[in-house]
Amino acid sequence: SQQGEEDPQALSIQEGENATMNCSYKTSINNLQWYRQNSGRGLVHLILIRSNEREKHSGRLRVTLDTSKKSSSLLITASRAADTASYFCATAREGAQKLVFGQGTRLTINP
Amino acid sequence: NAGVTQTPKFQVLKTGQSMTLQCAQDMNHEYMSWYRQDPGMGLRLIHYSVGAGITDQGEVPNGYNVSRSTTEDFPLRLLSAAPSQTSVYFCASSYSILVAGGPETQYFGPGTRLLVL
Repeated sequence: SQQGEEDPQALSIQEGENATMNCSYKTSINNLQWYRQNSGRGLVHLILIRSNEREKHSGRLRVTLDTSKKSSSLLITASRAADTASYFCATAREGAQKLVFGQGTRLTINP
Repeated sequence: NAGVTQTPKFQVLKTGQSMTLQCAQDMNHEYMSWYRQDPGMGLRLIHYSVGAGITDQGEVPNGYNVSRSTTEDFPLRLLSAAPSQTSVYFCASSYSILVAGGPETQYFGPGTRLLVL
């Protein structure tokens, strides 16, 4: 079963706007990771946030983690056409050796 | 460094045939894993390995075998292909989870597209 569930499943915005995607999970985690997948390609790691962290930044990306609500969000600011891709969250449960992926959010940036 | 490489890129099989998907990494990563991705879906873990000689099952292991005789290679074997195994297969690696306490940043290969007729 999927540990992480992304919301929304699909998001379409205008270039220059901000995009926010959410991920909810069910059990205690060691860390949560966000990945991007361009059509037909492999996944690329974006950010890893640990259970004792609340926010991390990387360029135009901002990830937050709320362990009390078991949720995370990925914010992409000043979106570009090249940000069009699917975005996946993945969770590493406490004590587990597996990384479990959600079903992803399909982001489309319109010029 | 080549990173994570997968061969073949594309394969067509007939039902009942067997084959091996190859995965290799040159980053000296201890942790390796295989996922399958079906249309519109996320990735589902098939098998993983925390080091040479150690493998374990993921969410969807049935119909697949793995072995890990070296740190670099982690082949995935389809024993008797079925149409339900039509998918895109991704191999990934990361450094030792025994140090980190859990799976860390995964480096993915480009994928193998498999069609079973």
